[in-house]
Amino acid sequence: EPEVTQTPSHQVTQMGQEVILRCVPISNHLYFYWYRQILGQKVEFLVSFYNNEISEKSEIFDDQFSVERPDGSNFTLKIRSTKLEDSAMYFCASSQQVYNSPLHFGNGTRLTVT
Amino acid sequence: QKEVEQNSGPLSVPEGAIASLNCTYSDRGSQSFFWYRQYSGKSPELIMSIYSNGDKEDGRFTAQLNKASQYVSLLIRDSQPSDSATYLCAVNAGNNRKLIWGLGTSLAVNP
Repeated sequence: EPEVTQTPSHQVTQMGQEVILRCVPISNHLYFYWYRQILGQKVEFLVSFYNNEISEKSEIFDDQFSVERPDGSNFTLKIRSTKLEDSAMYFCASSQQVYNSPLHFGNGTRLTVT
Repeated sequence: QKEVEQNSGPLSVPEGAIASLNCTYSDRGSQSFFWYRQYSGKSPELIMSIYSNGDKEDGRFTAQLNKASQYVSLLIRDSQPSDSATYLCAVNAGNNRKLIWGLGTSLAVNP
């Protein structure tokens, strides 16, 4: 069964550093998402992406965050200057359609900011 | 503020019993409803999706949706110890593409 893959599985970085989280969505999916989950808290929506542009973003997704689809397969999340509160699990997801279509999640990247 | 609420549990059931998990949501415009299972430290794994009122069955799992009451539930029949996990309810935010998530219900199935 096709799956969403994310790398790295764990990233440790110092406060103020830039990080790039990488994802390869399922190949025939058209909609891509980033969610995050701080330990013990709810899963939170960050951004959705379709047709090479952001379709929606949350208030969490401020100027420190950006997404890119640099080629036909990768989908990346960049955090320009990490803060301690950015420490979380970051999940990439993809879906075939925007409505009535389940999201398929990658295994996540655990980001630890020290 | 659109919300999804779940009892955090833990819900403890004996092996072979039926586990019943509940979820309420605030946005009457929501159209898509999902149940995900999450093991500790892992990503959410889709269990069921439901889009119209009534019941939807898939193996040991049954999702029930009542849009008038803004309520969605998940029944797990013949519960197994491997079903022990946190069950997350996720609801689309009306016409938006994003999902709003509950905090999850922790389920423990005791052998």
